[in-house]
Amino acid sequence: NAGVTQTPKFQVLKTGQSMTLQCAQDMNHNSMYWYRQDPGMGLRLIYYSASEGTTDKGEVPNGYNVSRLNKREFSLRLESAAPSQTSVYFCASTRVGEQYFGPGTRLTVT
Amino acid sequence: SQELEQSPQSLIVQEGKNLTINCTSSKTLYGLYWYKQKYGEGLIFLMMLQKGGEEKSHEKITAKLDEKKQQSSLHITASQPSHAGIYLCGADKDNTGGFKTIFGAGTRLFVKA
Repeated sequence: NAGVTQTPKFQVLKTGQSMTLQCAQDMNHNSMYWYRQDPGMGLRLIYYSASEGTTDKGEVPNGYNVSRLNKREFSLRLESAAPSQTSVYFCASTRVGEQYFGPGTRLTVT
Repeated sequence: SQELEQSPQSLIVQEGKNLTINCTSSKTLYGLYWYKQKYGEGLIFLMMLQKGGEEKSHEKITAKLDEKKQQSSLHITASQPSHAGIYLCGADKDNTGGFKTIFGAGTRLFVKA
């Protein structure tokens, strides 16, 4: 099993550009999450999907959209990137409270 | 809103020494998780604590949950270079299944060989 995979690993965008971060899990988990990690602030929840077909806002959803394409895949889209969205983005899926994290996507917006 | 405060923010210890990291919540803890993050990588689940007074161990790492104090501690015995990394605590904001987990800012651990 690959666990949770994320693409790309690194990305540099210019202000106003758009992009989609991809996430997939092969553990048959119902719940999936998107977090951002910033220095000194820990992880903050952007969006989550409790099950296939449902998505909900987390703590910092502004500027992002998500799609739960199927049970395996949960994508995060930045429609118009801003420098404040420079961060490391982690996708995770859950089994009985234990979250499995992907390796992260390091995004820089200039 | 609920917050998790970790202390210390960073820690440098000599190999072989014991250390403790604390995680304090501003509100009631429904579930408390400990994760380890190697620099530049994702988080790895260590332990989950749910009941007041609960204590769990994995190899040389022990975590305790003091529900009355809304605090958890992570203790590493005889630290090794492999223990180096960032330790994060996470907590469920409510008891509805952990869909909204919040995290502390992390404790950076450096182990000197």
